[in-house]
Amino acid sequence: DAGVIQSPRHEVTEMGQEVTLRCKPISGHDYLFWYRQTMMRGLELLIYFNNNVPIDDSGMPEDRFSAKMPNASFSTLKIQPSEPRDSAVYFCASSSLTSGGDWVDTQYFGPGTRLTVL
Amino acid sequence: RKEVEQDPGPFNVPEGATVAFNCTYSNSASQSFFWYRQDCRKEPKLLMSVYSSGNEDGRFTAQLNRASQYISLLIRDSKLSDSATYLCVVIPSGGSYIPTFGRGTSLIVHP
Repeated sequence: DAGVIQSPRHEVTEMGQEVTLRCKPISGHDYLFWYRQTMMRGLELLIYFNNNVPIDDSGMPEDRFSAKMPNASFSTLKIQPSEPRDSAVYFCASSSLTSGGDWVDTQYFGPGTRLTVL
Repeated sequence: RKEVEQDPGPFNVPEGATVAFNCTYSNSASQSFFWYRQDCRKEPKLLMSVYSSGNEDGRFTAQLNRASQYISLLIRDSKLSDSATYLCVVIPSGGSYIPTFGRGTSLIVHP
């Protein structure tokens, strides 16, 4: 099993530029999560999808952030325009319901994208 | 009050020591609980789920105290390789699956 795949692993960009982060969840998982981790704020949930549909985006910081999931095997998180305060590690995670279907099972995280905005 | 709170540490212990971490949560309707481990510059990885009756996995024991709203992680016979940050995760009941992560507790095991 390949696990959750994220790209790029590192991204350095200048303020004002558009940044696109990519994620391929584990095959068969129908939940996908985007997180941001910083020293100051820890791990924050930005948005999550179920069956490609955004369920809760209340964690998205502002309109500069957008996320899409066009199909079950691909999701993007876009920042436009980027700002230095967006510098963080962005993780994608995927999950599925437990065998009993009563709640969502553990999450599997990708290796993260380390974003630096200069 | 933060939803999920952990002592950031670091907990600095010698090899072979027993160390315990607690994590408190504010939502009494929380349904599922987990401990994750995160190594420096790596992604969080599931360490163990926390069951109501308590559960053990080798040197690791997790317990849940619903009355006092905290979960705990006990590590016996600490190894150098246990050095990491330990994150607790709380998931509410009620259909809205929004996991809340604690900020993590840093553990350093030294020779």
